[in-house]
Parts: sequence; C-alpha cells; structure tokens
Amino acid sequence: ETGVTQSPTHLIKTRGQQVTLRCSSQSGHNTVSWYQQALGQGPQFIFQYYREEENGRGNFPPRFSGLQFPNYSSELNVNALELDDSALYLCASTSGSGMGAFFGQGTRLTVV
Amino acid sequence: AQKVTQAQTEISVVEKEDVTLDCVYETRDTTYYLFWYKQPPSGELVFLIRRNSFDEQNEISGRYSWNFQKSTSSFNFTITASQVVDSAVYFCALRVDSGSARQLTFGSGTQLTVLP
Repeated sequence: ETGVTQSPTHLIKTRGQQVTLRCSSQSGHNTVSWYQQALGQGPQFIFQYYREEENGRGNFPPRFSGLQFPNYSSELNVNALELDDSALYLCASTSGSGMGAFFGQGTRLTVV
Repeated sequence: AQKVTQAQTEISVVEKEDVTLDCVYETRDTTYYLFWYKQPPSGELVFLIRRNSFDEQNEISGRYSWNFQKSTSSFNFTITASQVVDSAVYFCALRVDSGSARQLTFGSGTQLTVLP
C-alpha cells in the first residue's frame, strides 16, 4: 500500500450537482496532484497543490477546483457535473525530492 | 508539449512467456523522467520504476527489466516468465520539471493478459 487514501471509493451523482472528493497524502509528502482517468484511457492531469497553493493546472475548466490543507490532505471539487465527468479520479502524492508519485486507489464517479 | 505513445493496446500471452511493452515519448526538454506504472483491476496505480534522462543504464529487477534508449526516445518494459498475477494495464509516463508543477503525462496504456 502507498499510504495515499481517497474517499469515497464510489459515488453516483446527477448531472448539474456538485461533488467533493478527498485525499490523504502519504506521510511526509507535501505535494498532491489530481488526475482524471476516463474508461480505457490514461490519466489526465487536473492540477497540483504544493504547500496549500495551486502550482500547476491541466486543461480542465474552472468548475474543477481544489484545496490543500495544512496537513497536506486535499480536496477536489467539481461543480455543475456533466455526464463526461464520469471517470476514475486519482490522487497522487509526492515528496519534495519527487521520487515517483504514489497514487491512491481512486474514486469512481458516475454522473447520471 | 509532452507526449507518450503506447502503440500496443492489448497483449495476450501464455504464462511463462516473456513479454515486452513498448513506450515512445516526445519532449523538447533535456531533463525529464520516465515512469512505468501498473494498474490492476482495483484501480490503484502501482509505481514500478523511474528513470531520468541522463541515466541510460538499463536495469533488471527480478522478472522485470527496462530498456531506455534516448536515440529512439523509447522506454520499453519487459516481463520475463510472465505470471497470471501480472495481468493488468501498464502505463508509461513522462515528467518534465521545466514548469512549476511536476505533472505526469501518461500514455493510453497497454492491457496485458497472462493466460494460465
């Protein structure tokens, strides 16, 4: 196990709703990244947080937002859910040395 | 922009066969890192190996080996004497640190099925 935990593991939401996904990073890791993985595809970078500040963002609209807390845990918020938001959302934590990102088990989001 | 291509969508082998997963990457950065991850049906991405752009020494770790060739921008992964438990989706990924974020660019993955 990597020590990165995500909750919930599965979630079903209705189009137009809002959702919050949570991630606890591995002990000692101060950088958290979020990825979206659609079925049959590789993960796509959403954004990254370092010491509570967003320091990088992929090609995702502003309705995808996040937070990082002083204990380095993180949240991913998605507003106005669309059917295409259905995917596996993965959280990854990295130490300052950047030795390989360690991933959680993911949250499977289904938008109906 | 970075790009990772895994041309093999699916591979099926019989247990104990050797199998090589191909990965080709594109980047203009001279300093970069290459990764292989394994994703079993449970969904978690399992880190297998990291290589940096100035270390072309190939490595063998148990049944796994990696072949990194900058001249062809390839970072291939071989499993020797495959086992049923090796069945998973394997992702190759690239990271450059020229920006502030250490984001990974993934390929589309190769589904490996090892048959008993």
